[in-house]
Amino acid sequence: GQQVMQIPQYQHVQEGEDFTTYCNSSTTLSNIQWYKQRPGGHPVFLIQLVKSGEVKKQKRLTFQFGEAKKNSSLHITATQTTDVGTYFCAGPTAAGRRALTFGSGTRLQVQP
Amino acid sequence: DGGITQSPKYLFRKEGQNVTLSCEQNLNHDAMYWYRQDPGQGLRLIYYSQIVNDFQKGDIAEGYSVSREKKESFPLTVTSAQKNPTAFYLCASRVGQGDTGELFFGEGSRLTVL
Repeated sequence: GQQVMQIPQYQHVQEGEDFTTYCNSSTTLSNIQWYKQRPGGHPVFLIQLVKSGEVKKQKRLTFQFGEAKKNSSLHITATQTTDVGTYFCAGPTAAGRRALTFGSGTRLQVQP
Repeated sequence: DGGITQSPKYLFRKEGQNVTLSCEQNLNHDAMYWYRQDPGQGLRLIYYSQIVNDFQKGDIAEGYSVSREKKESFPLTVTSAQKNPTAFYLCASRVGQGDTGELFFGEGSRLTVL
């Protein structure tokens, strides 16, 4: 079945440093979504990317969707302690199945 | 307030007992989903439903059952056949039946089997 891989699994940064997480799918995706889960919480939607090569920004967060629509990245500029959590990418699963397959997530720890 | 309500938040059960987790939404969403999350892991799809009285197996459906008798409700039963049921269970919903659009998650139910 479709797999969605994320790297790194874990990253520890000093506050103010940048952070990037990468997502790779074994199949072409019609769209990709990103979620953030705070420790002890539930995933919260951040953004959806649909077009090949699309780049979207939300304040310090920049999201990219690859040209082949098989990979994506999330970049955070100048991390803050409020950025702590696990970031997941997710994409639609096999054709005909309208549900999201989630990546394994990247856990971000920010040292003040 | 519109949202998804999961109950109970914490649940302890003895091995061999069936357990039903409740999920109710008042967002008027068509699609509902159940995911399982193990410590330090991603979310794995158990079951999903696009419309009332219809549901499909996800990647790890063995040992679980669901029903969708009402649009607002999608309960999950963890049966005694589930080999390792201790986990964090997340219910989600989404407007429409397509493959785009954000998932709205409940706060989750943490099941511990003793």
